[in-house]
Amino acid sequence: EAGVTQSPTHLIKTRGQQATLRCSPISGHTSVYWYQQALGLGLQFLLWYDEGEERNRGNFPPRFSGRQFPNYSSELNVNALELEDSALYLCASSPGVVRIYGYTFGSGTRLTVV
Amino acid sequence: GEDVEQSLFLSVREGDSSVINCTYTDSSSTYLYWYKQEPGAGLQLLTYIFSNMDMKQDQRLTVLLNKKDKHLSLRIADTQTGDSAIYFCAEMSDYKLSFGAGTTVTVRA
Repeated sequence: EAGVTQSPTHLIKTRGQQATLRCSPISGHTSVYWYQQALGLGLQFLLWYDEGEERNRGNFPPRFSGRQFPNYSSELNVNALELEDSALYLCASSPGVVRIYGYTFGSGTRLTVV
Repeated sequence: GEDVEQSLFLSVREGDSSVINCTYTDSSSTYLYWYKQEPGAGLQLLTYIFSNMDMKQDQRLTVLLNKKDKHLSLRIADTQTGDSAIYFCAEMSDYKLSFGAGTTVTVRA
């Protein structure tokens, strides 16, 4: 069974540009979660999508947005990039409301803003 | 992860036991987790415990839960060099996982 896959692995953008990160969940998982792991700040919850809808959002500005497609894959968009957006962005999935076994994480996209 | 607190660093000699501690704040958390992150990788679920349990053992891993004090610990027996990583404690709250800042475990020969 394929795990959670994220693309690209690395992304370098210039301040002010937009970045698009992609995530494919484990087959059968309907929930996708996005986390930001900035140096020294641990994992910060960004967004949760389930069945195509945004269910919860962390304390991030509106320039962080995303969507979930009918096949349950997801995109995270970051507009007007700032230097402090440089981080590892992790995507995770779970089988909908059945979360007792936690989430399965992808390997992440390393975003560098210069 | 401001609701989950962990010590940041732990150094342990190879073969000894490691104990990583965590405190959480949401008393309604039903499930608590330990994840491991190796350099350059995503997070790997190590183990989890339900809030109605006090202890869970899984091979070299032992999880202890003190609900009264909202304290969770992970003990790794016979620590190996491959155990060097960042360990995250997490609680399920409001349908999302909230993580601690992570404990960096360094295993020395």
